[in-house]
Amino acid sequence: DAKTTQPPSMDCAEGRAANLPCNHSTISGNEYVYWYRQIHSQGPQYIIHGLKNNETNEMASLIITEDRKSSTLILPHATLRDTAVYYCIVRVGLPYGQNFVFGPGTRLSVLP
Amino acid sequence: SAVISQKPSRDICQRGTSLTIQCQVDSQVTMMFWYRQQPGQSLTLIATANQGSEATYESGFVIDKFPISRPNLTFSTLTVSNMSPEDSSIYLCSVELGGRGGPSTWQFFGPGTRLTVL
Repeated sequence: DAKTTQPPSMDCAEGRAANLPCNHSTISGNEYVYWYRQIHSQGPQYIIHGLKNNETNEMASLIITEDRKSSTLILPHATLRDTAVYYCIVRVGLPYGQNFVFGPGTRLSVLP
Repeated sequence: SAVISQKPSRDICQRGTSLTIQCQVDSQVTMMFWYRQQPGQSLTLIATANQGSEATYESGFVIDKFPISRPNLTFSTLTVSNMSPEDSSIYLCSVELGGRGGPSTWQFFGPGTRLTVL
């Protein structure tokens, strides 16, 4: 079973920041928070992951609370192409081969 | 990142037949994974495939139904055997990236194979 809970759907206006929440209250000390998205039944696309510090890359920012029980993925300037299902997953970083358990995710709709 | 290709991208098959899906990666990777995504559902792991050893299957998936080959570090195949309409899904392969002294790894997914069984 997935160890995370996410809202089933969210809307965001184009050009505004999209803030996608994720609860992972049972996260273990060695588990990372990963975010993926899936656009219209394509293969899931890796976005970002982090352990406890906030992370930023060219796609998004990941904010993890101090107690690590929740996190927020931020798309700073959402575009119509960001419409997708976003998955928040917790998993150990190493060793190799640990399973990614996908929950139902959040369906983000970016509106013009 | 990695460039992953899957063949075929989609297929329509008859009940009782088998289909072999290929997954090709542009770099050598130790671990490859096969997932299934049924219509309207999230992804479910079928098996993990290491080069040089037998695949490890998840609960509910068996080798006779989903035989997997992993002949080298850049290629794997998944066969869906004796298909029924319930096998209609998107089948995805993924590879494990990162590590190599870094603190974590992540998976990179192929584009998927959309299978429809009539």
